[in-house]
Amino acid sequence: EVLLVESGGGLVKPGESLRLSCTASGFSFSTYAMNWVRQAPGKGLEWVSSISTVGSFIYYADSVKGRFTISRDNAQKSLFLQMNSLRVDDTAIYYCARDLNTIFGVGRNWFDPWGQGTLVTVSS
Amino acid sequence: EIVLTQSPATLSLSPGERATLSCRASQSISSYLAWYQQKPGQAPRLLIYDSSDRATGIPARFSGSGSGTDFTLTISNLEPEDSAVYYCQQRSSWPSFGGGTKVEI
Repeated sequence: EVLLVESGGGLVKPGESLRLSCTASGFSFSTYAMNWVRQAPGKGLEWVSSISTVGSFIYYADSVKGRFTISRDNAQKSLFLQMNSLRVDDTAIYYCARDLNTIFGVGRNWFDPWGQGTLVTVSS
Repeated sequence: EIVLTQSPATLSLSPGERATLSCRASQSISSYLAWYQQKPGQAPRLLIYDSSDRATGIPARFSGSGSGTDFTLTISNLEPEDSAVYYCQQRSSWPSFGGGTKVEI
């Protein structure tokens, strides 16, 4: 069974940092591009960042560019999101999602499956 | 930035009926559209990708169509378990999602 488990969420103050982790199992992690997608409470979905299989290609939404850093450790089957300079509007459930298909190391940006998410709350 | 507009916002139907959900893109996205289902308290689940391809394990009651700027998700023979919010998503440029359609059975 493919499983993605996020961790690292919590309550932080504006300007602080947080590092999210996503641990994968049930598939060959190193052969799939991976993604972070977030959902503010009661709101819709927002793509945050994507990373190719070996980290050669990395993409960010404009809303997090320069503040967030995506990375991965294929040996540990883990995906990370380092979030710095957090703002109140970064408050959301953060989902880790595998790419449905990965071609030449780069994902096609269809997200399947998703983890259960980890809640990040930024508040003073 | 490509904006996806979903309609209607809410759809209330009875079991056995057919649901037709719409997603309109602000510019042509070819067939680069997916549909997701999200039930309360759960993560989204991929239903359809590339406009009309069903993801693994998705019942044939779910079908997608469209290209360019206008897309449709059709759910036939509605079941109570289909109550959820449905999102469309494009990958023609940086990924973006529509605002969602809530389906009440």
